Amino acid sequence: GQSLEQPSEVTAVEGAIVQINCTYQTSGFYGLSWYQQHDGGAPTFLSYNALDGLEETGRFSSFLSRSDSYGYLLLQELQMKDSASYFCAVRRVTGFQKLVFGTGTRLLVSP
Amino acid sequence: DGGITQSPKYLFRKEGQNVTLSCEQNLNHDAMYWYRQDPGQGLRLIYYSQIVNDFQKGDIAEGYSVSREKKESFPLTVTSAQKNPTAFYLCASSSSKGIGNQPQHFGDGTRLSIL
Repeated sequence: GQSLEQPSEVTAVEGAIVQINCTYQTSGFYGLSWYQQHDGGAPTFLSYNALDGLEETGRFSSFLSRSDSYGYLLLQELQMKDSASYFCAVRRVTGFQKLVFGTGTRLLVSP
Repeated sequence: DGGITQSPKYLFRKEGQNVTLSCEQNLNHDAMYWYRQDPGQGLRLIYYSQIVNDFQKGDIAEGYSVSREKKESFPLTVTSAQKNPTAFYLCASSSSKGIGNQPQHFGDGTRLSIL
C-alpha cells in the first residue's frame, strides 16, 4: 500500500517563505511530484524530483530525500495568487505513470 | 492550443440514473486517467488507460465504467451502483514515451451532484 502525509493547512503573509512537507510510505517509488490546484480548478504540474536533492524553478523549489521518505515544496516571495492547495504525488515503479496523491495542503497567503 | 476538455462543467444525477462525463484531449497523449476528488481531500484514481482499447481499474473503480475507443476520448460513466457519486471529477492525460517524468495534464473538471 501507499500513503502520503501532508499538513492540512499552512498560512503565511505576502513576501514570506513557506515550506510544505510530504512524507510517504509506498511499496514502490519512482519520483515525487508536486501539483498546485486553485479552488474549483484543474491541478497543474509544478515540479518533479527523481533523485535526492533540490530542484529549483523560479520562486518554487522542491526537495527529496529518499532515505528519509520525505520531500518538501518551498515557495519563496509569496504572492496572493499562491493561495491554493498543493499536492505531492508519488510515481510508483510498478504503476506505469500512475500517481498516488497526498491529501493536499491548503496554503493561505494574507496581505 | 492543446489541452483537455471536460464536459459538462456541472451535472446532476437522479437516483438510479447512469450519467456519462466527457473527456477529450488534443495533446496526442497515449495515457488518460479519471480521478475523483471529495471536499478537502486528494485525488483518488478511478480508471486509467495506457493505450486505445485498453484500460485498467484504479483504486476506486466500483460503480464506474469507462471506454477508450479513440485516442482522444476517455468517457466515464457513473452508474447507479455508485451510491455516493457527489464529487468533483477530474480527467487527465500524459505522454507515455520515455522513462522520465511525464506530467499529467488535467481538465477543468466536472462537478456531479445528486438531485
